[in-house]
Amino acid sequence: EAGVAQSPRYKIIEKRQSVAFWCNPISGHATLYWYQQILGQGPKLLIQFQNNGVVDDSQLPKDRFSAERLKGVDSTLKIQPAKLEDSAVYLCASSSPKQDADTQYFGPGTRLTVL
Amino acid sequence: AQKITQTQPGMFVQEKEAVTLDCTYDTSDPSYGLFWYKQPSSGEMIFLIYQGSYDQQNATEGRYSLNFQKARKSANLVISASQLGDSAMYFCAMRERGFYNTDKLIFGTGTRLQVFP
Repeated sequence: EAGVAQSPRYKIIEKRQSVAFWCNPISGHATLYWYQQILGQGPKLLIQFQNNGVVDDSQLPKDRFSAERLKGVDSTLKIQPAKLEDSAVYLCASSSPKQDADTQYFGPGTRLTVL
Repeated sequence: AQKITQTQPGMFVQEKEAVTLDCTYDTSDPSYGLFWYKQPSSGEMIFLIYQGSYDQQNATEGRYSLNFQKARKSANLVISASQLGDSAMYFCAMRERGFYNTDKLIFGTGTRLQVFP
């Protein structure tokens, strides 16, 4: 079974530029999560989707971050405009309430560097 | 508020020895779950083991076991027979029940484990 896929793996941009990350969850997983992991910290949830609807976006900086999950499968996370403090690893995860105690499985992450 | 605490920023262990990574938690929710993830330098979070708050027995998964002490609110990870490939960051996480019966994970700050020959 294929795992969670993310691209790109690495991205370097200058501040005030925009960037987008893509995530394809494990097949059949209805719930998709985006986390931000700043160096030296644990991941922090940005947004959670259940199918194509947003369940929790309370920690998403909505003035610059946006995310969508069209058709309830793939998801895109966008930052516009980027700030220096957005440098982090962006992790996508997916889960199924019917499987594995709703365990979240993570992708390889996208490492963003903002200069 | 729910909280996860990992007090060991770094741990060293010799190959083939056992090591315990500490995790304490705080929650008022009677139904919760505790997870351990491994994060190698490549960055991916790898699921290791899960313990539900109502599970009677400590979880085990190969060389990994979870020492779950509910009264003390601790969920320590025990790795037996350490291998060089176990060198990584280890994160403890607690499930926080969200909307639509789905779960949000709250992570600790992690412990960096280094295994030496």
